[in-house]
Amino acid sequence: EIVMTQSPATLSVSPGARATLSCRASQSVSSHLAWYQQRPGQAPRLLIYEASTRATDIPARFSGSGSGTDFTLTISSLQSEDFAVYYCQQYHHWPPHTFGQGSKLEIK
Amino acid sequence: EVQLVESGGGLVQPGGSLTLSCLASGFTFKTYWMTWFRQAPGKGLEWVASIKYDGSEEYYVDSVRGRFSIYRDNAKNSLYLQIDSLRGEDTAVYYCAREKIAPTVFDFWGQGTRVTASS
Repeated sequence: EIVMTQSPATLSVSPGARATLSCRASQSVSSHLAWYQQRPGQAPRLLIYEASTRATDIPARFSGSGSGTDFTLTISSLQSEDFAVYYCQQYHHWPPHTFGQGSKLEIK
Repeated sequence: EVQLVESGGGLVQPGGSLTLSCLASGFTFKTYWMTWFRQAPGKGLEWVASIKYDGSEEYYVDSVRGRFSIYRDNAKNSLYLQIDSLRGEDTAVYYCAREKIAPTVFDFWGQGTRVTASS
């Protein structure tokens, strides 16, 4: 099973600033990495897949990068609705589909 | 508009059973793999089970194999999760999700149904 590790657990950032979240895989997942956003009380929403491809209707301020074992989600110019929990998911080798433990982005 | 609506959750005694349902609309259900996820209180996302578009293949996380059963009725645009021998650690919000045709990511999710195992 591929283990996904996210950092930091919590990131405090001011609105309008830039946020960078990290995800590391226990073995190479090539570019088979997705990011999801989960706002409080809501279902997850797909943001990024293939490490860097934005899903439908996702704003351009969200960008993903990386390959192999190390990946980054960057949110430029944070909006109020961006404060949420973010999860990475690998789909290089499944079952099982595995997620990171999540990174909470909070308002500073 | 794609919609996934779960139902069937509730409070069940440990050892009990229940069936979760997910009604799909707004897309050709019979051409998509479907998946159940869960999220325990205050915890992260966990993949539970997936089923091929025609129901011919099923996959389960180890912790539920033999107790949970995923199945679908394409004529009714519905996905199901039969849960038997419920344990305390099964307490969670259960989400159904559609798997994007390529790649294997999950592009639409329902709002979830809560399952609580407690006496």
